[in-house]
Amino acid sequence: AQSVAQPEDQVNVAEGNPLTVKCTYSVSGNPYLFWYVQYPNRGLQFLLKYITGDNLVKGSYGFEAEFNKSQTSFHLKKPSALVSDSALYFCAVSLSGGYQKVTFGIGTKLQVIP
Amino acid sequence: DTAVSQTPKYLVTQMGNDKSIKCEQNLGHDTMYWYKQDSKKFLKIMFSYNNKELIINETVPNRFSPKSPDKAHLNLHINSLELGDSAVYFCASSQETRAGYSGNTIYFGEGSWLTVV
Repeated sequence: AQSVAQPEDQVNVAEGNPLTVKCTYSVSGNPYLFWYVQYPNRGLQFLLKYITGDNLVKGSYGFEAEFNKSQTSFHLKKPSALVSDSALYFCAVSLSGGYQKVTFGIGTKLQVIP
Repeated sequence: DTAVSQTPKYLVTQMGNDKSIKCEQNLGHDTMYWYKQDSKKFLKIMFSYNNKELIINETVPNRFSPKSPDKAHLNLHINSLELGDSAVYFCASSQETRAGYSGNTIYFGEGSWLTVV
């Protein structure tokens, strides 16, 4: 079975400060990892993913995430937060190989304070 | 052009009614999905279709019946609606094939807000 944990319901950060949204995962094999963002009353939008290769993945809107196999983590980061980054962020995991479903975390609300 | 479009966006209906949500994708993808997001924003897969064939059927009541007339369309029909069916239903698609999952990005529609009263 696969699972993903987002330990923080909400993260508050001041505009201009670096932000981190945490994600840890559990799979019995090599994971595919994703971050999506959801703005109010909208669908989920893809930010970035780790499939293989470089552990540091860069994505949309200046976001990046680092795959850490030993800590089974895939934290989302951005060097300087914008008020417009305020949204709900979902981490997701799937297994490589075979026909797998993608499992989403419960989401972390990011609030960037002006 | 909207990549994954679903209609209606908002739907308010009475308990016991039957309703449908339609979904279309113009990305040329082989796989389509229905996800349910509850009031706590928890997102869970309901169904997955690959090229009109059912691949994933989670433990969803059989009042929910997906139909895929072609690989670009995946509709969701719900019979005998209950209060607990109130949620946001997202249609999505990806370029996954039956050959095996390779981490293709899932593209979501804007959601259909269903309220059962």
